[in-house]
Amino acid sequence: AQSVSQHNHHVILSEAASLELGCNYSYGGTVNLFWYVQYPGQHLQLLLKYFSGDPLVKGIKGFEAEFIKSKFSFNLRKPSVQWSDTAEYFCAVNTNAGKSTFGDGTTLTVKP
Amino acid sequence: GAGVSQSPSNKVTEKGKDVELRCDPISGHTALYWYRQSLGQGLEFLIYFQGNSAPDKSGLPSDRFSAERTGGSVSTLTIQRTQQEDSAVYLCASSFILSAGGWETQYFGPGTRLLVL
Repeated sequence: AQSVSQHNHHVILSEAASLELGCNYSYGGTVNLFWYVQYPGQHLQLLLKYFSGDPLVKGIKGFEAEFIKSKFSFNLRKPSVQWSDTAEYFCAVNTNAGKSTFGDGTTLTVKP
Repeated sequence: GAGVSQSPSNKVTEKGKDVELRCDPISGHTALYWYRQSLGQGLEFLIYFQGNSAPDKSGLPSDRFSAERTGGSVSTLTIQRTQQEDSAVYLCASSFILSAGGWETQYFGPGTRLLVL
């Protein structure tokens, strides 16, 4: 069975600090990888996604993620966070079988 | 266009009663997902539909849970004989299905917050 592990449950940073949120998945076949974000009081929405090609993908608001197949990882990064990045971040994996698995989420708090 | 909508937005019920949650996906989206998010927890996959059929029902927590989708559009999630542990936010999402297999970006609804007293 596939699984997704997000190592950080709660991250607290000051503005302008760099961010890296870890995500590892377990599945032996082809996967589509996603990061979703849920800002306070809002719906879950897509931050970025990887299907194929360049393993370094760029998303909205300056976020990027790198797919490292050998490590089964898809870590999310941002060089300089802002207070408005305070949110909950979910890593997700979809397989060709249609199963969609989300990690438990990481709550990011950015202090102004 | 309109996003995914869910109703009701909030539901308070008594233990043992049945509840029905509704999801209206984005028009044209073939895939539809139901998730459950308990307080402080991640998203728990419940079931997905490809058209009107549900290839994978393994995520449903018990036989008190059932879901159906009609006309390739609206879906309802029914919980029979609700228990207090069913209290959670129930999220619905929809997406296109890629021609090469796999699912495109999921668009989420606002959720239904269920409280079982």
